[in-house]
Amino acid sequence: EPEVTQTPSHQVTQMGQEVILRCVPISNHLYFYWYRQILGQKVEFLVSFYNNEISEKSEIFDDQFSVERPDGSNFTLKIRSTKLEDSAMYFCASSERGFMNTEAFFGQGTRLTVV
Amino acid sequence: KQEVTQIPAALSVPEGENLVLNCSFTDSAIYNLQWFRQDPGKGLTSLLLIQSSQREQTSGRLNASLDKSSGRSTLYIAASQPGDSATYLCAVMSDSWGKLQFGAGTQVVVTP
Repeated sequence: EPEVTQTPSHQVTQMGQEVILRCVPISNHLYFYWYRQILGQKVEFLVSFYNNEISEKSEIFDDQFSVERPDGSNFTLKIRSTKLEDSAMYFCASSERGFMNTEAFFGQGTRLTVV
Repeated sequence: KQEVTQIPAALSVPEGENLVLNCSFTDSAIYNLQWFRQDPGKGLTSLLLIQSSQREQTSGRLNASLDKSSGRSTLYIAASQPGDSATYLCAVMSDSWGKLQFGAGTQVVVTP
């Protein structure tokens, strides 16, 4: 069964460093998303991406964050100058279409720990 | 602004009992509602998707209902098993780009 794949599963980084989280969405999907879940809190929307551009972003997704689809299969989230409060589980998701009868499929997540 | 609430926050039942998990949302203008399962430290597994035009959706022992006008959805899990122990999240899609807004989840423990 097709699945969304995320790497790495766990990343530890020093405060102030840049990290890139990687995702391979399901191959025929057109809409891509990043969410995060701080320990003990709700899953929060960060950004949606369609047709090689950001379609929507939350207030969390400031200039520190960027997304890219560098080739036909990968979807990345870059966090510049990481802060302690960026520590969270980051989930990538994809869907065939962005609305209506569209099921979103999530990856297993990348646990980011900023020290 | 859409708010999604799940009650109860935690639930413990003996094996074999039916589970009833509740989800409410404040804005009834949704495209769909999706139920997920999350195991500790793991990703989100999609369980059921209910379109805004549907009243219920079934998959095996799972049944989810949707009452859009009252802003409620209920997930029923029949004949619970210890393997059903997990956190169950509901999420609503309220915009055309597919953004999901999540509840905080109900943590379920099924005891043998």
